[in-house]
Amino acid sequence: DAGITQSPRYKITETGRQVTLMCHQTWSHSYMFWYRQDLGHGLRLIYYSAAADITDKGEVPDGYVVSRSKTENFPLTLESATRSQTSVYFCASSEQGWTEAFFGQGTRLTVV
Amino acid sequence: DAKTTQPNSMESNEEEPVHLPCNHSTISGTDYIHWYRQLPSQGPEYVIHGLTSNVNNRMASLAIAEDRKSSTLILHRATLRDAAVYYCILRDVNDYKLSFGAGTTVTVRA
Repeated sequence: DAGITQSPRYKITETGRQVTLMCHQTWSHSYMFWYRQDLGHGLRLIYYSAAADITDKGEVPDGYVVSRSKTENFPLTLESATRSQTSVYFCASSEQGWTEAFFGQGTRLTVV
Repeated sequence: DAKTTQPNSMESNEEEPVHLPCNHSTISGTDYIHWYRQLPSQGPEYVIHGLTSNVNNRMASLAIAEDRKSSTLILHRATLRDAAVYYCILRDVNDYKLSFGAGTTVTVRA
């Protein structure tokens, strides 16, 4: 199916563990984004990417690592999860830098 | 980054139009005006975007001031399903970043 998908949808992990959230899009969009949204708050940009092997830090990059070896995938890794990283994570993609962005369904991550 | 200012909240009656204002007085010539919305417990959803001219699509209309320092999202006939947080965002073609502010929470009364 065409679109943007995130996996897993729900994840519970322990403090200190490494966790990778996956994002896959089927449109071959150049631009991809990762956001976090804490309960009752707005979306904050973590990292974004203009193409394979090109990534930029957003507003809250600390504690996160991204890679983009293939255009269609943009995984987000929490190197050592902390309770403050409990959040809902959204991935998005857009064809150009000014065109509409499409969002995934989100991953709800709980760090205990 | 060029910033936007939106009211915190707005209320509307079902089947009436909703006009959502957005001020962006520091907009640059390379900024596109984007609108997204986020329904409860869902991811953001694209609504509309434009550069200089007014735009219409099946969801809404976007009216852009002549000086581009403000814009208005128009929902022509609000339904209960339009209750959401609406975000007005400037997207620079040279930067491609897409950053969200606080948005406007729209409540629709039956």
